[in-house]
Amino acid sequence: GQQVMQIPQYQHVQEGEDFTTYCNSSTTLSNIQWYKQRPGGHPVFLIQLVKSGEVKKQKRLTFQFGEAKKNSSLHITATQTTDVGTYFCAGPKSSNTGKLIFGQGTTLQVKP
Amino acid sequence: NAGVTQTPKFQVLKTGQSMTLQCAQDMNHEYMSWYRQDPGMGLRLIHYSVGAGITDQGEVPNGYNVSRSTTEDFPLRLLSAAPSQTSVYFCASSPTGSSYNSPLHFGNGTRLTVT
Repeated sequence: GQQVMQIPQYQHVQEGEDFTTYCNSSTTLSNIQWYKQRPGGHPVFLIQLVKSGEVKKQKRLTFQFGEAKKNSSLHITATQTTDVGTYFCAGPKSSNTGKLIFGQGTTLQVKP
Repeated sequence: NAGVTQTPKFQVLKTGQSMTLQCAQDMNHEYMSWYRQDPGMGLRLIHYSVGAGITDQGEVPNGYNVSRSTTEDFPLRLLSAAPSQTSVYFCASSPTGSSYNSPLHFGNGTRLTVT
């Protein structure tokens, strides 16, 4: 069945270093969403990408949607301790947009 | 607005017991869903609803029932709890059943332990 895979599963960085997480789908996605979950918290919506090749920025965060709409990435420039958490990508199941399928998430730890 | 409210926050059950996890939203969202979160597995969709009176199965529906009698409420029932159902459960809603321009709003979660 359709899968959404994220790598890496864990990433430890020194504060100030950059961080990237990658999301790959086995099928073409109509759109992709990104969420952040702080430790002990619930997922919070960050952004949605819809167009092929789309790039969106939120301060130090840069989101990209691949040309083939099967992959996406989240890049954080100069990480801060406030970036700690798990980042999830999610895309609709190709045959049913009512089903939003999440990747396994990438957990980011930032050493001060 | 309270957003998405889940109760209880914590629950311990014995194998075979039944219980209902409550979820309510005050945003008049049509779409509601239940996810479970387990270490290394991400968020897996259990059941979802695109409107009152309509429910459908997600990726991992076995052992769970849902109903949607009102727009506001979407309870999740465990008929006979099993240790494999130990997890953190999240309820989420969005304005429409389509994921276009419809980010999910999550509740704070229910941490369930089945012994």
